[in-house]
This record gives sequence, structure tokens and C-alpha cells, in this order.
Amino acid sequence: NAGVTQTPKFQVLKTGQSMTLQCAQDMNHNSMYWYRQDPGMGLRLIYYSASEGTTDKGEVPNGYNVSRLNKREFSLRLESAAPSQTSVYFCASSDGFSGNTIYFGEGSWLTVV
Amino acid sequence: GEDVEQSLFLSVREGDSSVINCTYTDSSSTYLYWYKQEPGAGLQLLTYIFSNMDMKQDQRLTVLLNKKDKHLSLRIADTQTGDSAIYFCAEGGFQKLVFGTGTRLLVSP
Repeated sequence: NAGVTQTPKFQVLKTGQSMTLQCAQDMNHNSMYWYRQDPGMGLRLIYYSASEGTTDKGEVPNGYNVSRLNKREFSLRLESAAPSQTSVYFCASSDGFSGNTIYFGEGSWLTVV
Repeated sequence: GEDVEQSLFLSVREGDSSVINCTYTDSSSTYLYWYKQEPGAGLQLLTYIFSNMDMKQDQRLTVLLNKKDKHLSLRIADTQTGDSAIYFCAEGGFQKLVFGTGTRLLVSP
């Protein structure tokens, strides 16, 4: 039972570099999410996709882009990484119906130097 | 906007009960959740409660909801060292959740 799988688990970037975080879920969920977690700030929603073909901004979208490639996959792209984007990134998914329970991946630790 | 607040730390002895508190602002939330995060891992859903309920019990976990005061609590009975983790309260309706800052629970032997 894979659930939500995200890659890479760890990444170090130089300021200005670009990279894409990949996420896939095998639960046939309609909705997918990207959160970032910073010390003392809990989880903040970056972008979400309510269904295949749609994406919407969350609380902290600046500096990020997303693509809902198909129902399974939702990627997060940093076009020009900044030190302020050093964080732990979590992908999540939900079916949007069963109590709105959200299932999380194990996280991607990103450091921008 | 929506806001969820929690205290940052709680320390208890093994065998005692732990109570983690949370306050929220969005009275239209349909569900309220408790998630657990162990070191180096993602968030794991512990339990959730519908907004029209006052209490939910699930084995060692008891969730109390006071809608008037917008206060949610999680009680862990007979706390064990394996319960040491960060606990997140979250509120939400359709599609999106708003998380609190998390409470780090430390259980000492």
C-alpha cells in the first residue's frame, strides 16, 4: 500500500536553480495538495487541485507553480529557488468526500543555499 | 481569515493523561482533525470529529469539541513514550484544511 509517494526525499539547491517535486497517489483520490512546513508555523497550503485539470492557489503560492499531470500525479515546481523556500514539503491527497480525510506523503526536505 | 492556535509544548510522565488544546476561528468548519507527526515522517490522521458532535472516543483518544468557545481538545489516556510526537489540530470544510502550529508532546519514563 504505497498511498502518497513524493520524490526526492532530500535536495540541496543553489539560489536561482530550479527543480520539481514529484507526487503520486494510488488511492484514486480527486484532490491533491502541496503544503510546506516551517518551524513554529505549522503547515501552510501552497497550491491544491480539487480535481484533475484544475489547480488553485493556497495561502503561500508565490515562487511556486504546479501541474496536475493526471489524476494520480501533482508536481510542484520552484522556478528560481530562494533561501526562504528552505522547508519541508508535503504532498497530500483526499477523495474530498469521506470526512475529507487527507493522507500525507513522507515529506521532501529542501535546502536552498 | 481562518486561524488555528495551539500551545507549542506539553510534557507528561508515562502513564499520565495528556490533554492537548486547540482554538480555531472558522465557525463554518465541517470537520476538525487531529494529526500526529513522528520525527522525520509525514502527518498521520489520528481522529476527526464532525462539527455537530461534542465528543468522540476512540480507544485511548477522546476528542472534546466546544463549538461556543471554538475550542477542541485531544485527551490521550495512559500516555506512552511512543506517543511522543507533534500533534496538529486542523479545521476544514470541503477540500482544504487549515493547520495549527502543532504541539510537541514529550513523554518521559
